[in-house]
Amino acid sequence: EVQLVESGGALVQPGRSLRLSCAASGFTFDDYAMHWVRQVPGKGLEWVSGINWKSSTIIYADSVKGRFTISRDNAKNSLYLQMNSLRIEDTAFYYCARDKNIAAAGPFDYWGQGTLVTVSS
Amino acid sequence: EIVLTQSPGTLSLSPGERATLSCRASQSVRSSYLAWYQLKPGQAPRLLIYGASSRATDIPGRFSGSGSGTDFTLTISRLEPEDSAVYYCQQYGTSPFTFGPGTKVDIK
Repeated sequence: EVQLVESGGALVQPGRSLRLSCAASGFTFDDYAMHWVRQVPGKGLEWVSGINWKSSTIIYADSVKGRFTISRDNAKNSLYLQMNSLRIEDTAFYYCARDKNIAAAGPFDYWGQGTLVTVSS
Repeated sequence: EIVLTQSPGTLSLSPGERATLSCRASQSVRSSYLAWYQLKPGQAPRLLIYGASSRATDIPGRFSGSGSGTDFTLTISRLEPEDSAVYYCQQYGTSPFTFGPGTKVDIK
């Protein structure tokens, strides 16, 4: 059974940093690209970033480019999102999602339950 | 960036009825790389349809997708109570991979 479990969400002040993790199991992790998607509570979905199987293709939404860094450790079956210079508008549930393919090209066939990041002073 | 618009915003129907959800793109979606997802509170999002019309694994046959270019449709042929959810379309043909604002389906 495919499982994606996010962790690392917290309450953090504007301007600070936070690192999210996603532990993957039930599939061969390095056969798939991975993504982060976020959802402001009560609002819609926003794709944040994607990374292909060998980390050679990395893409970001303009809203996080230069502040967030996606990475993966295939040996640990883990995906990460380093979030720097956090803003109030980054407050959201952050979902880890598996790409259906090896390239970061979508769609997203399995998702985690999400972890909440709250940016507030 | 490709902007997706979904209509209606909310759909209220009875079990057994047919639901038709629309997704319109601001420009043509490359290779019909259009997906539909189902979101229920407290649950992980679920992929329903990809490539505009291909059903994802274990998705019931009552869910079907159609369309190309800029106009796409998700049809739920006979609504079940468990279909109450918010449905999002997403284009993944061009980065950034944008989502529509969602259609809420209420089962009376």
